[in-house]
Amino acid sequence: EAGVAQSPRYKIIEKRQSVAFWCNPISGHATLYWYQQILGQGPKLLIQFQNNGVVDDSQLPKDRFSAERLKGVDSTLKIQPAKLEDSAVYLCASSGRVAANEQFFGPGTRLTVL
Amino acid sequence: LAKTTQPISMDSYEGQEVNITCSHNNIATNDYITWYQQFPSQGPRFIIQGYKTKVTNEVASLFIPADRKSSTLSLPRVSLSDTAVYYCLVVLYGGATNKLIFGTGTLLAVQP
Repeated sequence: EAGVAQSPRYKIIEKRQSVAFWCNPISGHATLYWYQQILGQGPKLLIQFQNNGVVDDSQLPKDRFSAERLKGVDSTLKIQPAKLEDSAVYLCASSGRVAANEQFFGPGTRLTVL
Repeated sequence: LAKTTQPISMDSYEGQEVNITCSHNNIATNDYITWYQQFPSQGPRFIIQGYKTKVTNEVASLFIPADRKSSTLSLPRVSLSDTAVYYCLVVLYGGATNKLIFGTGTLLAVQP
């Protein structure tokens, strides 16, 4: 079974630029999560999708971050404009159930904002 | 909102049993407690999950006391490859909305 795919793996941009991350979850998984993991900290949930609907986006900085999951499969997370404090690893995870039991994580995208 | 705290780091030797505790005050009645392992440059990997008392699988055990204000991940006979960061995760069920809260993580260093 293929795992969660993310791209790109690394991205370096300057502040005020825009960036987008892509995630392809495990086939058949209805629930998809985006996390932000700052160096030395645990992952922080940004947004959770159930199919193509948003379940929780309470910690998503909506003035600069946006996410979509068209057709309930792949998802894109965008930052516009980026700030220095956005430097982090952005993790995508998927689960086969609404209840957040066993989540399968992708390798993450390491973003550096200069 | 429930929060979790863990020791920053722990040291162990190969073959020893390691216990990592996570404190989660104000956990909701219907919270599950989940533990993940993370290696550098990788996403977290599920280890074990429990609601109360004791749960055991092929790699670990999870002990949860009656008051559920903490949980302890037990790794039997660790090896060098168990060196990683371990996170507890509290799940809050609020109707259709789940609140997922990761701990700050415990860096386990296993030495020969």
